[in-house]
Amino acid sequence: AQSVTQPDIHITVSEGASLELRCNYSYGATPYLFWYVQSPGQGLQLLLKYFSGDTLVQGIKGFEAEFKRSQSSFNLRKPSVHWSDAAEYFCAVGAGNQFYFGTGTSLTVIP
Amino acid sequence: NAGVTQTPKFQVLKTGQSMTLQCAQDMNHNSMYWYRQDPGMGLRLIYYSASEGTTDKGEVPNGYNVSRLNKREFSLRLESAAPSQTSVYFCASTPHAGDAYGYTFGSGTRLTVV
Repeated sequence: AQSVTQPDIHITVSEGASLELRCNYSYGATPYLFWYVQSPGQGLQLLLKYFSGDTLVQGIKGFEAEFKRSQSSFNLRKPSVHWSDAAEYFCAVGAGNQFYFGTGTSLTVIP
Repeated sequence: NAGVTQTPKFQVLKTGQSMTLQCAQDMNHNSMYWYRQDPGMGLRLIYYSASEGTTDKGEVPNGYNVSRLNKREFSLRLESAAPSQTSVYFCASTPHAGDAYGYTFGSGTRLTVV
């Protein structure tokens, strides 16, 4: 069965520090992989996606993610976090007609 | 602005009442989805419509019904609301089910059942 695991429920980083949010998936074939961001009271916005080709993908707002097939991972990174990045982040895998979401990682940014 | 529009944004129901959540997209997408979001559980799929005229159950369909009214609109109905259905409901769409495009989400409906 398909599943997505985000092992970190909550992460706190200082503004200007680097960030890595972890995502592991379980899927039999090569998946479509996504990261979404949700600001408080808002819907989800697509940050980036991977479906083939270069395993390092660039997204909006300075985010990037790397697909590692051997580790079944698709971790999200940002070199320098801004206060406006505080939000909840969801990893998702597209499998068949559906998308499966992780339970999310809440990011707090401290000055 | 193009996108997914959900109404209402907030709703309070009494146990046993019924209501319909509306969703409309103007991007000519074929596939539409209803999710619920609960703390610590991420997003769980309730129902989806891969194309106009079709609907399928997702992970948590019990207590809900859906109607794909036309290509633009996909409604979610609670026939007899229960406190366990207190949640934030999101509608989403994508050009074709199973493609790599990703979803466009609405801004959500926050439902409280008392």
